[in-house]
Amino acid sequence: QVQLVESGGGLVKPGGSLRLSCSASGFTLSDYYMSWIRQAPGKGLEWVSYMSHSGNTIYYTDSVKGRFSISRDNAKNTLNLQMDSLRAEDTAIYYCVRDRGATGVPAALTYWGQGALVTVSS
Amino acid sequence: DIQMTQSPSTLSASVGDRITITCRASQSIGTWLAWYQQKPGKAPKVLISKASSLESGAPSRFSGSGSGTEFTLTISSLQPDDFATYYCQQYNSYRGEFGQGTKVEIK
Repeated sequence: QVQLVESGGGLVKPGGSLRLSCSASGFTLSDYYMSWIRQAPGKGLEWVSYMSHSGNTIYYTDSVKGRFSISRDNAKNTLNLQMDSLRAEDTAIYYCVRDRGATGVPAALTYWGQGALVTVSS
Repeated sequence: DIQMTQSPSTLSASVGDRITITCRASQSIGTWLAWYQQKPGKAPKVLISKASSLESGAPSRFSGSGSGTEFTLTISSLQPDDFATYYCQQYNSYRGEFGQGTKVEIK
């Protein structure tokens, strides 16, 4: 069955870096759009980044542009989020989420990882 | 960007109550709307997709309706397990925006 497992979260000082990974099983990452969505403590859901199935289309929310980078390792079926120059406001749970398939037909977000907590604090 | 506005932000209700949450989109999204339930410490779980289609495993007391710009989620008889936060999300466009959430509390 479909499973997404995030890793790499933790406590980091402002200005530091972290790399989140999302290991996918039960499907092939390169057949789907994949996203990172975050949730700050006590707040709502915010898109951080997504990558199309082909890898040709990548989106970043304005607040992370130039600091975060999404990538995919097809051999390991893993999605990554490299987070540099971290700020206190990046503190959140980061979810790896499977989005629509390669056909582009809109799809609700049925599959979410358990979330990885990133805390940026001195 | 499409703005999604949910109301109310908080709803206090009792077990057995019928409750309705409203979600408005800033432009027409057809029926590309989903409702999610989130409990503390857990990832959101989709309850309704395509505005009114109940997801497999979701209890039948949940129902959704609407099209265009106005949508509702109704819980016909609130159960103890339903106290949670609910989000609407449009997925007509990529990185579909979420509403700000509605927390359903015990009265």
